[in-house]
Amino acid sequence: AQKVTQAQTEISVVEKEDVTLDCVYETRDTTYYLFWYKQPPSGELVFLIRRNSFDEQNEISGRYSWNFQKSTSSFNFTITASQVVDSAVYFCALKGVNAGNMLTFGGGTRLMVKP
Amino acid sequence: GAVVSQHPSRVICKSGTSVKIECRSLDFQATTMFWYRQFPKQSLMLMATSNEGSKATYEQGVEKDKFLINHASLTLSTLTVTSAHPEDSSFYICSAAQGVNTEAFFGQGTRLTVV
Repeated sequence: AQKVTQAQTEISVVEKEDVTLDCVYETRDTTYYLFWYKQPPSGELVFLIRRNSFDEQNEISGRYSWNFQKSTSSFNFTITASQVVDSAVYFCALKGVNAGNMLTFGGGTRLMVKP
Repeated sequence: GAVVSQHPSRVICKSGTSVKIECRSLDFQATTMFWYRQFPKQSLMLMATSNEGSKATYEQGVEKDKFLINHASLTLSTLTVTSAHPEDSSFYICSAAQGVNTEAFFGQGTRLTVV
Protein backbone atom coordinates (compact mmCIF):
# COMPACT_ATOMS: atom_id res chain seq x y z
CA ALA A 1 0.00 0.00 0.00
CA GLN A 2 1.12 3.52 -0.68
CA LYS A 3 0.46 6.55 1.45
CA VAL A 4 1.46 10.19 1.32
CA THR A 5 1.01 12.50 4.28
CA GLN A 6 1.15 16.26 4.14
CA ALA A 7 0.68 17.22 7.74
CA GLN A 8 0.30 20.94 7.07
CA THR A 9 -3.16 21.63 5.70
CA GLU A 10 -2.71 25.39 5.53
CA ILE A 11 0.27 27.70 5.80
CA SER A 12 0.17 31.46 5.75
CA VAL A 13 3.30 33.54 5.25
CA VAL A 14 4.14 37.09 4.37
CA GLU A 15 5.76 37.81 1.05
CA LYS A 16 9.55 37.27 0.94
CA GLU A 17 9.46 34.74 3.75
CA ASP A 18 10.84 31.28 3.12
CA VAL A 19 8.41 28.41 3.58
CA THR A 20 8.83 24.64 3.68
CA LEU A 21 6.07 22.22 2.81
CA ASP A 22 6.46 18.81 4.36
CA CYS A 23 5.77 15.47 2.71
CA VAL A 24 6.18 12.03 4.25
CA TYR A 25 5.49 8.88 2.30
CA GLU A 26 5.09 5.15 2.78
CA THR A 27 5.63 2.46 0.20
CA ARG A 28 6.79 -1.13 0.05
CA ASP A 29 8.34 -0.63 -3.35
CA THR A 30 12.10 -0.23 -3.45
CA THR A 31 11.81 1.72 -6.66
CA TYR A 32 9.41 4.62 -6.65
CA TYR A 33 8.92 8.17 -7.83
CA LEU A 34 7.98 11.25 -5.88
CA PHE A 35 6.30 14.31 -7.31
CA TRP A 36 5.23 17.78 -6.36
CA TYR A 37 2.37 19.54 -8.11
CA LYS A 38 1.00 23.05 -7.74
CA GLN A 39 -2.73 23.63 -8.06
CA PRO A 40 -3.63 27.31 -8.45
CA PRO A 41 -7.23 28.49 -7.98
CA SER A 42 -7.98 27.75 -11.63
CA GLY A 43 -7.66 24.06 -10.80
CA GLU A 44 -5.14 22.67 -13.22
CA LEU A 45 -2.26 20.66 -11.83
CA VAL A 46 1.13 22.15 -12.60
CA PHE A 47 3.98 19.66 -12.52
CA LEU A 48 6.93 20.89 -10.46
CA ILE A 49 9.31 18.00 -10.01
CA ARG A 50 9.78 14.26 -10.22
CA ARG A 51 12.42 12.44 -8.22
CA ASN A 52 13.20 8.73 -8.34
CA SER A 53 14.07 6.75 -5.26
CA PHE A 54 17.67 6.21 -6.27
CA ASP A 55 18.46 9.86 -6.61
CA GLU A 56 18.76 11.49 -3.22
CA GLN A 57 20.43 14.61 -4.47
CA ASN A 58 18.65 17.73 -3.47
CA GLU A 59 17.41 19.87 -6.28
CA ILE A 60 17.15 23.59 -6.73
CA SER A 61 15.17 25.35 -9.43
CA GLY A 62 15.09 29.08 -9.03
CA ARG A 63 13.30 29.85 -5.76
CA TYR A 64 12.22 26.23 -5.39
CA SER A 65 14.24 23.53 -3.72
CA TRP A 66 13.51 19.98 -2.69
CA ASN A 67 15.05 17.89 0.05
CA PHE A 68 14.73 14.13 -0.38
CA GLN A 69 15.61 12.13 2.74
CA LYS A 70 15.12 8.44 2.15
CA SER A 71 16.07 7.63 5.74
CA THR A 72 13.04 9.53 7.01
CA SER A 73 10.83 8.91 3.95
CA SER A 74 10.44 12.60 3.41
CA PHE A 75 10.45 14.80 0.34
CA ASN A 76 10.10 18.37 1.51
CA PHE A 77 9.64 21.40 -0.68
CA THR A 78 10.98 24.86 0.13
CA ILE A 79 10.05 28.11 -1.51
CA THR A 80 12.56 30.85 -0.92
CA ALA A 81 11.48 34.49 -0.86
CA SER A 82 7.84 33.60 -1.39
CA GLN A 83 5.65 35.68 -3.65
CA VAL A 84 1.92 36.24 -3.78
CA VAL A 85 1.80 34.22 -7.02
CA ASP A 86 3.01 31.21 -5.06
CA SER A 87 -0.37 31.07 -3.33
CA ALA A 88 -1.88 27.74 -4.29
CA VAL A 89 -2.46 24.23 -3.05
CA TYR A 90 0.60 22.04 -3.31
CA PHE A 91 0.36 18.28 -3.60
CA CYS A 92 3.03 15.72 -2.98
CA ALA A 93 2.49 12.41 -4.78
CA LEU A 94 4.03 8.97 -4.95
CA LYS A 95 4.15 6.32 -7.62
CA GLY A 96 5.59 2.91 -6.84
CA VAL A 97 7.11 0.96 -9.71
CA ASN A 98 4.53 -1.75 -9.18
CA ALA A 99 1.67 0.72 -9.32
CA GLY A 100 1.84 1.26 -13.06
CA ASN A 101 1.26 4.93 -13.55
CA MET A 102 -1.08 5.35 -10.61
CA LEU A 103 -0.26 8.32 -8.41
CA THR A 104 -1.14 8.45 -4.74
CA PHE A 105 -1.63 12.01 -3.62
CA GLY A 106 -1.16 13.58 -0.24
CA GLY A 107 -3.92 15.70 1.20
CA GLY A 108 -2.36 18.89 -0.07
CA THR A 109 -1.07 22.02 1.65
CA ARG A 110 -2.80 25.32 1.00
CA LEU A 111 -0.20 28.05 0.92
CA MET A 112 -1.30 31.63 1.30
CA VAL A 113 1.30 34.30 0.68
CA LYS A 114 0.20 37.71 1.87
CA PRO A 115 1.64 40.92 0.49
CA GLY B 1 5.82 18.21 -21.47
CA ALA B 2 3.09 16.46 -23.37
CA VAL B 3 -0.32 18.05 -23.70
CA VAL B 4 -3.53 16.60 -22.35
CA SER B 5 -6.70 18.47 -23.17
CA GLN B 6 -9.85 18.08 -21.12
CA HIS B 7 -13.21 19.37 -22.22
CA PRO B 8 -15.37 21.02 -21.07
CA SER B 9 -13.62 23.03 -18.39
CA ARG B 10 -16.90 23.87 -16.71
CA VAL B 11 -20.35 22.37 -17.02
CA ILE B 12 -23.62 22.94 -15.23
CA CYS B 13 -26.32 20.33 -15.67
CA LYS B 14 -29.70 19.53 -14.26
CA SER B 15 -30.17 16.74 -11.80
CA GLY B 16 -31.00 13.51 -13.57
CA THR B 17 -29.20 14.29 -16.79
CA SER B 18 -25.93 12.82 -18.03
CA VAL B 19 -22.70 14.66 -18.69
CA LYS B 20 -19.77 13.55 -20.81
CA ILE B 21 -16.23 14.75 -20.15
CA GLU B 22 -13.50 14.21 -22.72
CA CYS B 23 -9.81 13.72 -22.13
CA ARG B 24 -7.50 13.86 -25.13
CA SER B 25 -3.78 13.37 -25.44
CA LEU B 26 -2.81 15.81 -28.16
CA ASP B 27 0.74 14.87 -29.03
CA PHE B 28 1.20 11.34 -27.85
CA GLN B 29 -0.65 8.05 -27.70
CA ALA B 30 -1.97 7.28 -24.26
CA THR B 31 -2.27 3.62 -23.47
CA THR B 32 -3.45 4.44 -19.97
CA MET B 33 -5.68 7.21 -18.71
CA PHE B 34 -6.70 7.97 -15.16
CA TRP B 35 -9.75 9.77 -13.86
CA TYR B 36 -9.64 11.59 -10.55
CA ARG B 37 -12.27 13.41 -8.54
CA GLN B 38 -11.55 16.27 -6.21
CA PHE B 39 -14.08 17.66 -3.76
CA PRO B 40 -13.60 21.23 -2.49
CA LYS B 41 -10.55 21.59 -0.29
CA GLN B 42 -9.72 17.92 -0.59
CA SER B 43 -7.12 15.89 -2.37
CA LEU B 44 -7.42 14.08 -5.65
CA MET B 45 -8.97 10.67 -5.38
CA LEU B 46 -8.47 8.13 -8.14
CA MET B 47 -11.76 6.96 -9.56
CA ALA B 48 -10.66 4.60 -12.29
CA THR B 49 -7.89 3.54 -14.59
CA SER B 50 -8.60 2.90 -18.22
CA ASN B 51 -6.46 1.11 -20.74
CA GLU B 52 -7.10 1.53 -24.42
CA GLY B 53 -9.40 -1.14 -25.77
CA SER B 54 -10.28 -2.73 -22.45
CA LYS B 55 -12.68 -2.14 -19.60
CA ALA B 56 -11.80 0.40 -16.98
CA THR B 57 -10.69 -0.65 -13.53
CA TYR B 58 -12.66 1.19 -10.87
CA GLU B 59 -11.47 2.00 -7.39
CA GLN B 60 -13.40 0.72 -4.44
CA GLY B 61 -16.54 2.69 -3.79
CA VAL B 62 -16.84 4.13 -7.30
CA GLU B 63 -20.00 3.04 -9.08
CA LYS B 64 -19.11 1.79 -12.52
CA ASP B 65 -22.67 2.12 -13.75
CA LYS B 66 -22.79 5.74 -12.73
CA PHE B 67 -19.37 6.77 -13.98
CA LEU B 68 -19.01 5.27 -17.42
CA ILE B 69 -15.52 5.32 -18.82
CA ASN B 70 -14.68 4.66 -22.44
CA HIS B 71 -11.15 4.54 -23.81
CA ALA B 72 -11.82 3.59 -27.39
CA SER B 73 -8.73 5.13 -28.93
CA LEU B 74 -5.17 5.88 -27.96
CA THR B 75 -5.88 9.57 -27.77
CA LEU B 76 -9.32 9.80 -26.21
CA SER B 77 -10.98 8.70 -23.01
CA THR B 78 -14.41 9.83 -21.91
CA LEU B 79 -16.08 9.90 -18.52
CA THR B 80 -19.86 10.03 -18.52
CA VAL B 81 -21.61 10.89 -15.29
CA THR B 82 -25.02 9.31 -15.67
CA SER B 83 -28.15 10.50 -13.89
CA ALA B 84 -26.15 13.20 -12.18
CA HIS B 85 -27.11 14.39 -8.72
CA PRO B 86 -25.96 17.43 -6.76
CA GLU B 87 -23.59 15.27 -4.74
CA ASP B 88 -21.74 14.47 -7.98
CA SER B 89 -20.73 18.13 -8.20
CA SER B 90 -16.98 18.08 -8.09
CA PHE B 91 -13.78 18.77 -9.99
CA TYR B 92 -12.91 15.92 -12.32
CA ILE B 93 -9.41 15.67 -13.73
CA CYS B 94 -7.83 13.17 -16.06
CA SER B 95 -4.27 12.17 -16.67
CA ALA B 96 -2.72 10.26 -19.53
CA ALA B 97 0.41 8.18 -19.87
CA GLN B 98 2.10 6.76 -22.93
CA GLY B 99 3.13 3.49 -21.38
CA VAL B 100 3.69 1.65 -18.15
CA ASN B 101 5.75 3.65 -15.70
CA THR B 102 6.07 6.61 -18.01
CA GLU B 103 5.23 10.16 -17.04
CA ALA B 104 1.52 10.92 -16.68
CA PHE B 105 0.29 14.34 -17.75
CA PHE B 106 -2.81 16.04 -16.42
CA GLY B 107 -5.68 17.72 -18.18
CA GLN B 108 -6.99 21.08 -17.06
CA GLY B 109 -9.87 19.58 -15.15
CA THR B 110 -13.66 19.90 -15.43
CA ARG B 111 -15.73 21.59 -12.80
CA LEU B 112 -19.12 19.91 -12.74
CA THR B 113 -22.05 21.54 -11.00
CA VAL B 114 -25.32 19.64 -10.80
CA VAL B 115 -28.32 21.78 -9.97
